[in-house]
Amino acid sequence: GENVEQHPSTLSVQEGDSAVIKCTYSDSASNYFPWYKQELGKGPQLIIDIRSNVGEKKDQRIAVTLNKTAKHFSLHITETQPEDSAVYFCAASIRKDSSYKLIFGSGTRLLVRP
Amino acid sequence: DSGVTQTPKHLITATGQRVTLRCSPRSGDLSVYWYQQSLDQGLQFLIQYYNGEERAKGNILERFSAQQFPDLHSELNLSSLELGDSALYFCASSVENGGQGSFGEQFFGPGTRLTVL
Repeated sequence: GENVEQHPSTLSVQEGDSAVIKCTYSDSASNYFPWYKQELGKGPQLIIDIRSNVGEKKDQRIAVTLNKTAKHFSLHITETQPEDSAVYFCAASIRKDSSYKLIFGSGTRLLVRP
Repeated sequence: DSGVTQTPKHLITATGQRVTLRCSPRSGDLSVYWYQQSLDQGLQFLIQYYNGEERAKGNILERFSAQQFPDLHSELNLSSLELGDSALYFCASSVENGGQGSFGEQFFGPGTRLTVL
């Protein structure tokens, strides 16, 4: 069935270090992979996404890579800052009957230590 | 700011009661999704509406229902509330036209925190 696995569930890094969060999806028909950042008490915010015809996308300190063969995609945050501390969710989009469905990973709680 | 609005921000009620959560999608978005997020849990998809019609159902209880109105705002109705229904409820919207260039990007509102006592 449709499933997205996300690892690790928690991640603690020192300010300035890099953080990597990995996801694996099951449905080979998935063609869109967004990442959301959720701060405490707020709604998930779309921070970056990648389409299946692209292998890598970068936006300042964040980047996402996609390996369609292995069904893996990852979020990379460089030069982490305390304000990067939040829960991060990956998702995979599946299109069925002209409608899209996002399958979410279980989330990664990132803590950036000052 | 995603452009999706939800009201109320907080709701405290008692078991057995009924509440209505409201969502206004981004301008131009035809699709609305509802999600439930319990404490320290992930996002559980409840239901999707597209241009006034139900499009997909997830793990939505029979005590819960939703609708989307002609002006595209949506309401989620929760009845016979139980303690376990306490959670954050998010609405997301998407263009969702299924055409070229549409990949189902969803933009989330700030959520409604429901507390059932």
